[in-house]
Amino acid sequence: AQRVTQPEKLLSVFKGAPVELKCNYSYSGSPELFWYVQYSRQRLQLLLRHISRESIKGFTADLNKGETSFHLKKPFAQEEDSAMYYCALLPGGGYNKLIFGAGTRLAVHP
Amino acid sequence: SAVISQKPSRDICQRGTSLTIQCQVDSQVTMMFWYRQQPGQSLTLIATANQGSEATYESGFVIDKFPISRPNLTFSTLTVSNMSPEDSSIYLCSVVISGRSQETQYFGPGTRLLVL
Repeated sequence: AQRVTQPEKLLSVFKGAPVELKCNYSYSGSPELFWYVQYSRQRLQLLLRHISRESIKGFTADLNKGETSFHLKKPFAQEEDSAMYYCALLPGGGYNKLIFGAGTRLAVHP
Repeated sequence: SAVISQKPSRDICQRGTSLTIQCQVDSQVTMMFWYRQQPGQSLTLIATANQGSEATYESGFVIDKFPISRPNLTFSTLTVSNMSPEDSSIYLCSVVISGRSQETQYFGPGTRLLVL
């Protein structure tokens, strides 16, 4: 079955601390993985995707096929990073439908 | 990117009534989806809105409960029929935009529905 698991509902850190939001997926093929973010009172928006191998707002995520993980990391958290983060999987074979994890709320305290 | 608007932004409805949510996109898109986000839950795909044909529903969702229209490539409606308190959710419209080398999915602001 295709599934995305985000084990933490809430991650609370202090400003300047490293952050890692965990994401594990279940899919037998070659998926595309994404991180979406929703800031307070804003719409859901794409943060980054694994195929781009880019750093956005200091965040990076590496696809580990062996561990079927796509953890989101940032070395130094900022207060403005506080938001809801969703990991999402796009099954291979052309654009189909995104499968979302339950989401992790990141709270960065001053 | 795409600018997606939804109407209404929120509503409070009585059980047994129906509500139609509109989604307008500022450009023509092929793929358009409707999602539901129940309180404290993640996003669940309701259906793919197909232009010119019947929507494709996901398991657990049926046309009688969630009829969808897609009259053209920029507009769609989702109706939540015969509502019950369990239908209280945020309903989101989403589209896929093709870029130079990849496709990106964008989301509308959502319609927050409370059923009493």
